Amino acid sequence: VQLVQSGAEVKKPGESLRISCKVSEYSFTNYWITWVRQMPGKGLEWMGRLDPSDSYTNYSPSFQGHVTISADKSISTAYLQWSSLRASDTAMYYCARHGDDYHFDYWGQGTLVTVSS
Amino acid sequence: QSALTQPASVSGSPGQSITISCTGTSSDVGSYNLVSWYQQHPGKAPELMIYDVSKRPSGVSNRFSGSKSGNTASLTISGLQAEDEADYYCCSYAGSSTSVVFGGGTKLTVL
Repeated sequence: VQLVQSGAEVKKPGESLRISCKVSEYSFTNYWITWVRQMPGKGLEWMGRLDPSDSYTNYSPSFQGHVTISADKSISTAYLQWSSLRASDTAMYYCARHGDDYHFDYWGQGTLVTVSS
Repeated sequence: QSALTQPASVSGSPGQSITISCTGTSSDVGSYNLVSWYQQHPGKAPELMIYDVSKRPSGVSNRFSGSKSGNTASLTISGLQAEDEADYYCCSYAGSSTSVVFGGGTKLTVL
């Protein structure tokens, strides 16, 4: 099982961004994909999750409306996107898979997003 | 939603045992046996160490164990080794609206 995330990004406030998480060696539609934020020197924060089988999503109230989680089943890839970045979005972002029991057994390597003017 | 409460740091000497607590509420830890624990070394992705309160994934040392009482879950590491020095995070299911909440993390130092 592998979750491979896209590379580091440097953006300016107000810009848009989409980062990706491509999975392999398991059936993409059999597990949820979750996104987790880790701000510099801080802890893990659950952002939201997606069911790749039907693209159903739900978000943490802390992130609802600021990010969008989506997926392309044809290429076994999940996405996390912002339409207008803020400096406070600077963080490492991880994708992870989980089943109905909500434990994250495989993680991506992380994507560092830096937002600075 | 509030993060689960963990001590900021714990320490122990090689060979000793330590326990990290994770205190939630009756809406998360207290209501579901869906507590998991993650180890994170600097610059690395988190790794699952315990799930469903006390189950160990294949490949995780049996020196790691988990338990729960009421609204508090605990991770115990016995026979401490230098390689155990890392940050540890607890995580709990918190119902359909909130879904998941993490603890603030505990830095384990092996003296």
